[in-house]
Amino acid sequence: NAGVTQTPKFQVLKTGQSMTLQCAQDMNHNSMYWYRQDPGMGLRLIYYSASEGTTDKGEVPNGYNVSRLNKREFSLRLESAAPSQTSVYFCASSEIWVLNTEAFFGQGTRLTVV
Amino acid sequence: EDKVVQSPLSLVVHEGDTVTLNCSYEVTNFRSLLWYKQEKKAPTFLFMLTSSGIEKKSGRLSSILDKKELFSILNITATQTGDSAVYLCAVGVGNSGAGSYQLTFGKGTKLSVIP
Repeated sequence: NAGVTQTPKFQVLKTGQSMTLQCAQDMNHNSMYWYRQDPGMGLRLIYYSASEGTTDKGEVPNGYNVSRLNKREFSLRLESAAPSQTSVYFCASSEIWVLNTEAFFGQGTRLTVV
Repeated sequence: EDKVVQSPLSLVVHEGDTVTLNCSYEVTNFRSLLWYKQEKKAPTFLFMLTSSGIEKKSGRLSSILDKKELFSILNITATQTGDSAVYLCAVGVGNSGAGSYQLTFGKGTKLSVIP
């Protein structure tokens, strides 16, 4: 069972470079999320997509853009990477039309910006 | 602003001890409270709680929710070294009818179990 798949697993960028983190889920979920995790900070929501065709800002959206390409795929783009964006990024999905539901997480992308 | 606060932030215990992890919250549109365990990689789901006073159990782990006092506890009995991890509490907020649902996480409790 693939579940939620993120690519790449590791990435090093120079300040100012751009990159896109890819996420795909095969559980037919409507909702997808991007979180970042920094030491001692838990998981903070960057952007989410409640359903195909919609995206909304979370707690820490500055410096990021997202695209919900289709129901399966939700990408996160850093247009001009900064050292403050060094973090571990997790993509997640859930089924919003079930009243109470867990979120399923990908394995994470460890991003370092130098 | 939605808030989820976990305590303690870190804890060191000996194998065989019993531990209690705490999670309090202040959110609008509460739907559920979830506990996750995170070892090296992705968080893995433990429990979801929606009703007060009903204990959920899985082996040595159990959890309960108090919606009046706005908190939950996660208990681990007879701890083992394999329980060493970060335990994350998350609150599900939103309105499925309106098309929004998201999880707000606490900072986590880092549990270290030493032999």
